[in-house]
This record gives sequence, C-alpha cells and structure tokens, in this order.
Amino acid sequence: SQQGEEDPQALSIQEGENATMNCSYKTSINNLQWYRQNSGRGLVHLILIRSNEREKHSGRLRVTLDTSKKSSSLLITASRAADTASYFCATDPQGGSEKLVFGKGTKLTVNP
Amino acid sequence: DSGVTQTPKHLITATGQRVTLRCSPRSGDLSVYWYQQSLDQGLQFLIQYYNGEERAKGNILERFSAQQFPDLHSELNLSSLELGDSALYFCASSVKPGNTIYFGEGSWLTVV
Repeated sequence: SQQGEEDPQALSIQEGENATMNCSYKTSINNLQWYRQNSGRGLVHLILIRSNEREKHSGRLRVTLDTSKKSSSLLITASRAADTASYFCATDPQGGSEKLVFGKGTKLTVNP
Repeated sequence: DSGVTQTPKHLITATGQRVTLRCSPRSGDLSVYWYQQSLDQGLQFLIQYYNGEERAKGNILERFSAQQFPDLHSELNLSSLELGDSALYFCASSVKPGNTIYFGEGSWLTVV
C-alpha cells in the first residue's frame, strides 16, 4: 500500500518560477526522502529529512517536514528546464520495517 | 552516478522463462533493496537484505526470489514470467537501515 501521497500529480511551470510539491503520509516515520526520476531512468536521491528535523536545504531545494500533520513539502526555487522530472517522496516508517514506501510522484514540467 | 550497478540494463524475454537480475551495491553498503516500478502499481518494495540476511519482505511474488551473497552483491530471480511482470526493476543500497538509500539505474524487463 502507498504510504506517501504526492500533490499535485502534475505541475507545469515556466523557467524561473518556483515549484512546490507536497507529500502526505499515514504512519509515524523515522525519516522521509525525496527522489527525482527522469523519464525511464534511475531514481536520484535529493534529500533526507529525519523525523526530528523541520527543514533542510540543499542548493535550490528546500524541504520541510511537519510530523504533526504527517506532511512534507519540496520547494525548488528558480526552476530550470533540466528540473523537468517526476519527484517522489518516500517514507521510512517506524516499526522496524526499514524499507522505503513511495508515493505515486509529482510530474513536474518546466517550460523554457 | 549513485554507485549502485545493475545488470542487465535491458532484457526482453518470453512468457514462462526465467531471468536473473544482478546488483552490486555501493562500496561499504550492507543493505540491499529491490523495487519494482510499473505504470499501474508505481514503485513497489519487493525485498531487503542486510549483510546477507533477509531483513524485510514486501509484495514479492512466490515466483520471485532473491539473495545477497557474502561479497554483498545481490540477485533477483524471476521465474515463470508473465506479461504483467514487465517493469523496471531497481536495486538500491544503504550503509545500514535508516540511512540514505541510493538507487541504481534499473533493469528494464519486457516479457513478450
């Protein structure tokens, strides 16, 4: 079953704009990870945020985590055409299963 | 390049056949994960190994099996293949559970 649900399912913006993707999950987690996937390619790890962290930055990426609302957001600032990809959140649920549970992803299109 | 190596990259085979997918984790990583990505099911966790031992099992069919060898590489065996097994199969690795999980480029399996 899917733990994470990304929102929106698809997002189309112009270069230079910011893109915000949201992820909601159901159970308590150890950490949450965001990945990017270009069409038919591998998953590229973007950022990991632990359950005791509220915000993390990496370059043009900003991730927030609200464990009380069981939600996370990924913000990409000053988007580029090369950011066009699908973005997935994946949760590491508490309870010892240790596997990542993925949502269905947000398909981001950045138009030049 | 994540450091996780998967072979073969592409595979076309007939229904009823058996294939083996291979994975070399990142140097130093003890945990190996297998995921299946299909259009209708999204990214599904199949199985995890840690230092040679099975650690967690997901939606892995009985026709599928996996193992992690003493040198930490892993194989996923898919038998009695059906059309519905056509998918992108990912291997991923981490130093230990709870850490960042890095994915390979995947093995595209097409069953005809």
